[in-house]
Amino acid sequence: AQSVAQPEDQVNVAEGNPLTVKCTYSVSGNPYLFWYVQYPNRGLQFLLKYITGDNLVKGSYGFEAEFNKSQTSFHLKKPSALVSDSALYFCAVRGENYGQNFVFGPGTRLSVLP
Amino acid sequence: SQTIHQWPATLVQPVGSPLSLECTVEGTSNPNLYWYRQAAGRGLQLLFYSVGIGQISSEVPQNLSASRPQDRQFILSSKKLLLSDSGFYLCAWAGIYEQYFGPGTRLTVT
Repeated sequence: AQSVAQPEDQVNVAEGNPLTVKCTYSVSGNPYLFWYVQYPNRGLQFLLKYITGDNLVKGSYGFEAEFNKSQTSFHLKKPSALVSDSALYFCAVRGENYGQNFVFGPGTRLSVLP
Repeated sequence: SQTIHQWPATLVQPVGSPLSLECTVEGTSNPNLYWYRQAAGRGLQLLFYSVGIGQISSEVPQNLSASRPQDRQFILSSKKLLLSDSGFYLCAWAGIYEQYFGPGTRLTVT
């Protein structure tokens, strides 16, 4: 079975400070990992993915994420937060042997304070 | 490039009325298609997915049904809406790795 945990319901950070949104996963076999962002009343937007290769992946809007196999984590990071980054963030996993169906985490609400 | 459309964008329906939400994808063929529901701006619940025309898999038994009459068309339906059907409904298609989401339909059942 596949599962994703996002241990923080809410993350608050001051504008200009670095941000981290945490994600841990459980899957059999190699994981495919994803981050999405959702603004109010909008669909999910794809930010970045890890499939294989370099553990540090870079995505849209200056976001990056680090895959850590030993800790089964895939934390989302950004060096300097913007107020416009305030949104709901979802981590998702898809096991390479599980077809194309995803498992999404419960979401973390990020608030960047001016 | 691929695009995904959903309509209507918002819908207010009384309890007991029927429902039809439509999702169409452009720029790709034979995609895997998905319906999700999101309650209270939080987690996603997978409702249905389809790997081809006429092929529907249901993840959660409930008041809703889905159909795929054409390769790039995915429809979510109900014969009689319940209050608990209120939510934000998202359609998605699967690329090689990631899924791509439509803009969503906000359904309020009154």
